[in-house]
Amino acid sequence: AQTVTQSQPEMSVQEAETVTLSCTYDTSESNYYLFWYKQPPSRQMILVIRQEAYKQQNATENRFSVNFQKAAKSFSLKISDSQLGDTAMYFCASGLRGGGSNYKLTFGKGTLLTVNP
Amino acid sequence: DAGVIQSPRHEVTEMGQEVTLRCKPISGHNSLFWYRQTMMRGLELLIYFNNNVPIDDSGMPEDRFSAKMPNASFSTLKIQPSEPRDSAVYFCASSFPRGGRDTQYFGPGTRLTVL
Repeated sequence: AQTVTQSQPEMSVQEAETVTLSCTYDTSESNYYLFWYKQPPSRQMILVIRQEAYKQQNATENRFSVNFQKAAKSFSLKISDSQLGDTAMYFCASGLRGGGSNYKLTFGKGTLLTVNP
Repeated sequence: DAGVIQSPRHEVTEMGQEVTLRCKPISGHNSLFWYRQTMMRGLELLIYFNNNVPIDDSGMPEDRFSAKMPNASFSTLKIQPSEPRDSAVYFCASSFPRGGRDTQYFGPGTRLTVL
């Protein structure tokens, strides 16, 4: 079974500053994907960013970027120019191929990020 | 384009009652997933379907839980009889069949409270 660990239950950052959320995972598979999802108070799960394990280049989506260290099995999320709307629970997830060519997601416990004005 | 639709958004019921949660995946998506979120256990995959066929139900907690997908645009998750420990937020997610098969898009969730 795979595991995903988010070691920071809570974090806070000042508006406009940069914050990094940590995630480590454990898998023996070579074909997998990694994700960060955001869950604001509305509880909607929103995809923030995804990374294919076979790609060396770190994924970037506007203010969000990842630091993917495959050998260390680390997948951190950096949020630049933090905004009040970034306040949410952030979940790291790994996806392994299951039956039917689908990917089964395993989620970490989440990090509650608060952006302060 | 409409996202994943779930109903009801909130459900309050009494122990022993049957509960049915509903999900409409994004049009064109052929994979559908049911998750449960609790404070204690986080987000757990319960079951998923590919082309309306259940592929993996190893996460279904017990026989009181059942899920069906009678067609490509509708799925149900049923709990019978319900118990207080079933109280949780239940999410449905769907994924795109080609290229982005790895990315799942979530519905807004159903908050279930069993008294």
